[in-house]
Amino acid sequence: EVQLLESGGGLVKPGGSLRLSCTPSGFTFSSYTMFWVRQAPGKGLEWVASISDTSFWIYHADSVKGRFTISRDNAKESLFLQMNSLRAEDTGVYFCARGSRPRGHEGGAASVADSWGQGTLVTVSS
Amino acid sequence: DIQLTQSPSFLSASVGDRVTITCRASQGIDRYLVWYQQKPGKAPKLLIYAASALQSGVPSRFSGSGSGTEFTLTISSLQPEDFATYYCQQTKSYPVPFGQGTKVEVK
Repeated sequence: EVQLLESGGGLVKPGGSLRLSCTPSGFTFSSYTMFWVRQAPGKGLEWVASISDTSFWIYHADSVKGRFTISRDNAKESLFLQMNSLRAEDTGVYFCARGSRPRGHEGGAASVADSWGQGTLVTVSS
Repeated sequence: DIQLTQSPSFLSASVGDRVTITCRASQGIDRYLVWYQQKPGKAPKLLIYAASALQSGVPSRFSGSGSGTEFTLTISSLQPEDFATYYCQQTKSYPVPFGQGTKVEVK
């Protein structure tokens, strides 16, 4: 069974930093693209960042570019999101998700998020 | 950047109703459109990819259609467990935004 467990969330002051982690199980982590997606309280889903299986391709949303960095360690089977210069509007639940390319969806730039963790809450407040 | 517009934002329906949600892309995305379901306090769940392919384990009352710029998610006969929020997402090119969501509520 595919499982993803996020950790590292918490309360941080504006301008502060946090590092989120995502620990996978039940699949070969090094073979999959991974995502971070966030959700502000009472709001919709917002794609944050993507990283390919070998870290060759990395994308960040404009809203976090220059402040957040997605990375992975395939040897230690972990996904990370380093968040710096945090703002109140970064508050929300952060989900990690696994990306796959099922038949019929091979050609798009992004994979399909087929498995998700339960999320970790980040609160940015003074 | 490609933008997605979902409609309606809210939908009131009864068990057994046929429900249709629309997602429009600001430019053509072929069939690179994904649908997710999210229940309160839970992670999103993949329903449909490639506009119309049903993810394994998803009931057949869910279906998707469309290509280019206009897509629909249809629930043929709404069940109690289907009351949730539904999101579309385009995966044609980065950035890969989600639609703003459609909340399906009990009428």
